[in-house]
Amino acid sequence: AQSVTQLDSQVPVFEEAPVELRCNYSSSVSVYLFWYVQYPNQGLQLLLKYLSGSTLVESINGFEAEFNKSQTSFHLRKPSVHISDTAEYFCAYAVSSGSARQLTFGSGTQLTVLP
Amino acid sequence: ETGVTQSPTHLIKTRGQQVTLRCSSQSGHNTVSWYQQALGQGPQFIFQYYREEENGRGNFPPRFSGLQFPNYSSELNVNALELDDSALYLCASSFGQGQETQYFGPGTRLLVL
Repeated sequence: AQSVTQLDSQVPVFEEAPVELRCNYSSSVSVYLFWYVQYPNQGLQLLLKYLSGSTLVESINGFEAEFNKSQTSFHLRKPSVHISDTAEYFCAYAVSSGSARQLTFGSGTQLTVLP
Repeated sequence: ETGVTQSPTHLIKTRGQQVTLRCSSQSGHNTVSWYQQALGQGPQFIFQYYREEENGRGNFPPRFSGLQFPNYSSELNVNALELDDSALYLCASSFGQGQETQYFGPGTRLLVL
């Protein structure tokens, strides 16, 4: 079965510390990979995506994620977090073949940045 | 450029009733997908519409149905509401069939009593 596993449901971290949010996926076919962020009472915002090419992708606000095909992982990292990074983070994938792109999401990781 | 909008923002219904949720896609986008996000969980794919036709469906019963209009806006209809239908319903739009990047609206929060 195809699925996304986010290994940590909650990650507390102090401000300016580094953080890694882990994501593993299971799929028998090629996939596109995404990280979305959800602030309280809001919809999802695309943070970054891997479609092809360089396995390291970056967002404009300092996050990066690396696609590791052998380990079927797409972990999200930031070297120094801010209070404003507090949010729920969702890892997702879409199968890269076929005409419909349905996103399969993990259960989310709540990142809480402490002062 | 206008983003994805959804209405209403909140809704309260009772079990057995019917509900219609609305979504306007981002300017230039012709594909709309709907997702259900239960409390504390990740979103689950309901279905996708491309050029007014259903283009894929997740594991939801037939009482979940949808429409897409010529202007690419969309509706999600749920009949015979159940308590477990209480969730945040998210609409996402993208350009073109098979486009990988979807942009989400703020969602409609439905409470079924």
